[in-house]
Amino acid sequence: DAGVIQSPRHEVTEMGQEVTLRCKPISGHDYLFWYRQTMMRGLELLIYFNNNVPIDDSGMPEDRFSAKMPNASFSTLKIQPSEPRDSAVYFCASSSSTGVNIYFGEGSWLTVV
Amino acid sequence: AQTVTQSQPEMSVQEAETVTLSCTYDTSESNYYLFWYKQPPSRQMILVIRQEAYKQQNATENRFSVNFQKAAKSFSLKISDSQLGDTAMYFCASLYSNYQLIWGAGTKLIIKP
Repeated sequence: DAGVIQSPRHEVTEMGQEVTLRCKPISGHDYLFWYRQTMMRGLELLIYFNNNVPIDDSGMPEDRFSAKMPNASFSTLKIQPSEPRDSAVYFCASSSSTGVNIYFGEGSWLTVV
Repeated sequence: AQTVTQSQPEMSVQEAETVTLSCTYDTSESNYYLFWYKQPPSRQMILVIRQEAYKQQNATENRFSVNFQKAAKSFSLKISDSQLGDTAMYFCASLYSNYQLIWGAGTKLIIKP
């Protein structure tokens, strides 16, 4: 049974470039979460969706960040333009409304130079 | 405000020993869930164990068990017969009705051979 799938696993990009992170949640899960993990701030919830609809995006740091979920099996987190302070591990996670366990993908390591 | 506190930044034990990681939380809600997640050097976030606040019985998953003290708002994780593969960061987290996971700062656990 496939878990949450994220891509890319690692990305190094130059400041100012656009970055797109992708996520495929576990089939049947109707909640999808995007988290960011840094040494300074720990794990932060950026945004979450329920049935493809954004419910809470109060954690999105600024307008450079955007997230979409066009269908139940795919979501993107975009950073445009990227800055060095965006360097972090970005996790996608999913959960079903009938259960409470939240399952994480392996994360996308982003380095902005 | 809802908070989760892990007071042990780092712990180290010998292989096969038993180790207990501490976690306290603060909330005014009556219905919530508590989790322990493991994050090995690969940075993947792995669900270890879950406890429902309405259940008095402590959750157990093989070598992992919790001591849930609801009145004291304490949720410690016990790892029995520790193994080298248990070396990781361990995060305590709480989940409420708004589907927000509140995270502790983590405890770095080192299992020595």
